Amino acid sequence: EVQLVESGGGLVQLGGSLRLSCAASGFTFSTYDMSWVRQAPGKGLEWVSVISGSGGITYYADSVKGRFTISRDNSKNTLDLQMNSLRAEDTAVYFCAKSLRGMGLEDYWGQGIQVTVSS
Amino acid sequence: QLVLTQSPSASASLGASVKLTCTLSSGHSSYPIAWHQQQPEKGPRYLMKVNSDGSHIKGDGIPDRFSGSSSGAERYLTISSLQSEDEADYYCQTWGTDFRMFGGGTKLTVL
Repeated sequence: EVQLVESGGGLVQLGGSLRLSCAASGFTFSTYDMSWVRQAPGKGLEWVSVISGSGGITYYADSVKGRFTISRDNSKNTLDLQMNSLRAEDTAVYFCAKSLRGMGLEDYWGQGIQVTVSS
Repeated sequence: QLVLTQSPSASASLGASVKLTCTLSSGHSSYPIAWHQQQPEKGPRYLMKVNSDGSHIKGDGIPDRFSGSSSGAERYLTISSLQSEDEADYYCQTWGTDFRMFGGGTKLTVL
């Protein structure tokens, strides 16, 4: 059974940093692209970033480019999101998601973790 | 510019059928999409991928009541024999080499 469990969320001050982690199990982690997707309060889903199975290729939404860094440790089956220079508009629930092999869609999702940026 | 458009809300009665629509912007009618369901206070759940020819591939454990189809730039999700647990937000998604994109979502109310 595929399981994705996010951790590391919480309350952070404007301009601060936070690191999210996602523990993956139930599949061969290194062979799948992984994404972060977020959802602001009362809003829809917004894609944040994706990383290839090897970790060598990464892409970001314009809204986070230069501030967020996605990474993975295939030896530990973990996915991370380092978030720097946080803004109020980064307040959201952040979801970790596994991509379907060979396609840019997400077929398994975590339960999400809250990040609140406060002034 | 690629945009996915969904109606903000839809409603249908318990036991009835409903068809949700996701419209791809002009020039992008060949793109496949995915449908995801998000029940209140939960993470999204992948339902299916829908191709431009109407063929679809469902995710693990998705009931037969859920089906997908296409017409031109429109991609559809049909839910038959509506149940109370189908009340949720439904999002379509598409993708490219270096991005993913979601529609604004449709809130489905089961009456």
